[in-house]
Amino acid sequence: QKEVEQDPGPLSVPEGAIVSLNCTYSNSAFQYFMWYRQYSRKGPELLMYTYSSGNKEDGRFTAQVDKSSKYISLFIRDSQPSDSATYLCAFLNTGGFKTIFGAGTRLFVKA
Amino acid sequence: EAQVTQNPRYLITVTGKKLTVTCSQNMNHEYMSWYRQDPGLGLRQIYYSMNVEVTDKGDVPEGYKVSRKEKRNFPLILESPSPNQTSLYFCASSPRTGLRSGNTIYFGEGSWLTVV
Repeated sequence: QKEVEQDPGPLSVPEGAIVSLNCTYSNSAFQYFMWYRQYSRKGPELLMYTYSSGNKEDGRFTAQVDKSSKYISLFIRDSQPSDSATYLCAFLNTGGFKTIFGAGTRLFVKA
Repeated sequence: EAQVTQNPRYLITVTGKKLTVTCSQNMNHEYMSWYRQDPGLGLRQIYYSMNVEVTDKGDVPEGYKVSRKEKRNFPLILESPSPNQTSLYFCASSPRTGLRSGNTIYFGEGSWLTVV
């Protein structure tokens, strides 16, 4: 079993749709949960992070962590063409050093 | 401007011809690392460095070398490149912070390497 599973997509949605991106993980030691966004031909950049379980909202983005199910989600409301990118989930364990990345989900938002 | 700079951005080389990809960061970060990104496999760590003169293997170190003689620079060396090292490479840096503050990783823009 992979340590992190993420559907690669691509996921194509119309502008204004609600987007749900998800990852599952198997390592109970993960305590810090992140989402990185990567535009084409660019390096990933941190979008959101959550420490332990719960929800976190930032504008149109909501990160959700369910530690009991080992499942994290990123919701994008009112999606825009500028949201078209690859989204990578990422995890940090209790040691706090090595980040484990998902393979990334490619999202297309059509105008 | 805070940034991680890597060069070259694009390179086509031949099997066996040694090459170096340079990386420099201006944020005074302790941690630096190299990743490769391949379709379906995501980001895989090649090597990392916790500080000057301290380096260690990541998940896929075979065929690569690194050095950390200065805090700001972390070059990636391919002594004898092979076609299976054709990939998109990212250099990254991050500060030493506690877990609750996270470990935000700052990535360079990537280096597309093709080995023929």
